[in-house]
Amino acid sequence: DAGVIQSPRHEVTEMGQEVTLRCKPISGHDYLFWYRQTMMRGLELLIYFNNNVPIDDSGMPEDRFSAKMPNASFSTLKIQPSEPRDSAVYFCASSLPLIGANYGYTFGSGTRLTVV
Amino acid sequence: AQSVAQPEDQVNVAEGNPLTVKCTYSVSGNPYLFWYVQYPNRGLQFLLKYITGDNLVKGSYGFEAEFNKSQTSFHLKKPSALVSDSALYFCAVRPPIKAAGNKLTFGGGTRVLVKP
Repeated sequence: DAGVIQSPRHEVTEMGQEVTLRCKPISGHDYLFWYRQTMMRGLELLIYFNNNVPIDDSGMPEDRFSAKMPNASFSTLKIQPSEPRDSAVYFCASSLPLIGANYGYTFGSGTRLTVV
Repeated sequence: AQSVAQPEDQVNVAEGNPLTVKCTYSVSGNPYLFWYVQYPNRGLQFLLKYITGDNLVKGSYGFEAEFNKSQTSFHLKKPSALVSDSALYFCAVRPPIKAAGNKLTFGGGTRVLVKP
């Protein structure tokens, strides 16, 4: 398996523009997570899905952020309009249920977003 | 609600010396505990986990961790550190209840610097 695939790896955009980050989870994983990492706040959980259904979006900072999972193999995180304070590394992770021999989350390589 | 504390922002150690990264947690019941490592410009990688059984857990790259219920700790250890162990380390916890879903709570991370 190629692991969790995120695109793009880097994104530079101007303030006010729409940004869409993409994630392909590992096949068969029914949980998908979106995290944001910054020096100031560390690793923050934004939202997670189970079987394509959003379960907990309490970490989404504001209405400018939205996430969708139209099918089991694809998810998007959209920021509209983007602001400089949204600059961060955004990670997607997927997992099986955390029981038994399962190895927890598998993270993608992240998308480094810079909003200028 | 569960929480994880990593009291040290950074740990410095000489190559060949023992390495310890501290983690304490707060959760109801017997926790599921995890360690992840993040190398520069990469996503988090699973190192090891404690679900049940032997309190000493062995993981990847020669790392191990000891679950101590009375002290609510899960410190990560390596007998002889390598320069290549320099990275950011995250401890994570999940309570053993179905309502927790698959949501892990991560600590703030500890940066390890191993000097030659």
